[in-house]
Amino acid sequence: DTAVSQTPKYLVTQMGNDKSIKCEQNLGHDTMYWYKQDSKKFLKIMFSYNNKELIINETVPNRFSPKSPDKAHLNLHINSLELGDSAVYFCASSPRTSTDTQYFGPGTRLTVL
Amino acid sequence: KQEVTQIPAALSVPEGENLVLNCSFTDSAIYNLQWFRQDPGKGLTSLLLIQSSQREQTSGRLNASLDKSSGRSTLYIAASQPGDSATYLCAVWETSGSRLTFGEGTQLTVNP
Repeated sequence: DTAVSQTPKYLVTQMGNDKSIKCEQNLGHDTMYWYKQDSKKFLKIMFSYNNKELIINETVPNRFSPKSPDKAHLNLHINSLELGDSAVYFCASSPRTSTDTQYFGPGTRLTVL
Repeated sequence: KQEVTQIPAALSVPEGENLVLNCSFTDSAIYNLQWFRQDPGKGLTSLLLIQSSQREQTSGRLNASLDKSSGRSTLYIAASQPGDSATYLCAVWETSGSRLTFGEGTQLTVNP
């Protein structure tokens, strides 16, 4: 009964490659998020989608492109991977856009060599 | 720009001790403040959510307080157990920007 799931759990790839991380939530939530947690464990929001529409787009390089095919899915595609992209990426969801508790996925550890 | 600070960065205590984790934020214009727990290699689990109009929330051995005017929150853990060992993150939902801003966390170790 996984609420928010992400695939893959680990991703090791070479610089310059393009990769995607998938996220699905079965909670019926309207809003989904992508966060990046760097090596210092600092967690920072990247994107937020509400009912498939982009709400928040932080100052993230345009090599990162989120895609929401439907309300239950928010995938993250990264082009031309760089060493600095190595981090743990978390997907989350919440019932509405604003002030509800967020439910986090288990994270995807991306390592760029 | 909202900044969230957590003190201490790390804490090690013997089992059974009561402890307090601190969180401060620079902009008091918030909808709510949330405390999360993160276990190594895992995602975040929500512990408590305090609305801006509330002063505290309790769940089992956990009690979180909020003083919005001074920009402070504390998470009180009673009778700590080894299973409480984790990183505890504080986050505020800003009224401007519609986002959660996280602190850097307090890494707690409870020794048996």
